Amino acid sequence: GQNIDQPTEMTATEGAIVQINCTYQTSGFNGLFWYQQHAGEAPTFLSYNVLDGLEEKGRFSSFLSRSKGYSYLLLKELQMKDSASYLCAVRDDNQGGKLIFGQGTELSVKP
Amino acid sequence: DTEVTQTPKHLVMGMTNKKSLKCEQHMGHRAMYWYKQKAKKPPELMFVYSYEKLSINESVPSRFSPECPNSSLLNLHLHALQPEDSALYLCASSLLAGKGNEKLFFGSGTQLSVL
Repeated sequence: GQNIDQPTEMTATEGAIVQINCTYQTSGFNGLFWYQQHAGEAPTFLSYNVLDGLEEKGRFSSFLSRSKGYSYLLLKELQMKDSASYLCAVRDDNQGGKLIFGQGTELSVKP
Repeated sequence: DTEVTQTPKHLVMGMTNKKSLKCEQHMGHRAMYWYKQKAKKPPELMFVYSYEKLSINESVPSRFSPECPNSSLLNLHLHALQPEDSALYLCASSLLAGKGNEKLFFGSGTQLSVL
């Protein structure tokens, strides 16, 4: 089986930095994805980690520790448009390689 | 073209109606997916097609019937739905199914309401 946990909601201030955590338990781990989803829109790909460490892409970075079953998404220089739901998803090779999504973290960026 | 296009964007149907959701991509992807998403919940996988063959059916009720006429098209036929089936239905595609860093490209979804 699998279990993916993220905080339900977070609030941060424009221009600040926010870290969204994700913990997972899965038997066939083969990669972790972060997606951004604005209300009523499609999820869009942000990052992918399969090895331990930090992947940086502009204002967004994602970190993975496989031994701890832990990832975080770091958003710097927050902008109002970053208000969205952030979904952590794990690829499980013991379930045919399908993506299992966490419940998502609703981020609100305030002025 | 890096888009997955879904139609219609909104659909209201009665419990005795038959309707179809459509999805199209022209990225040369060989895997296509249907997900169901309730408000403030994560997407839940329904079906996966790989090379136009159904590879995963997540024990979805038979009132949902997927079809993959060719590598660019994916349909979801709906019949005798229940009000609890009201949700956002997302189509996605990837180059291959279930491989490593294969990321999913999602369509913007069909918001379905069953009355």
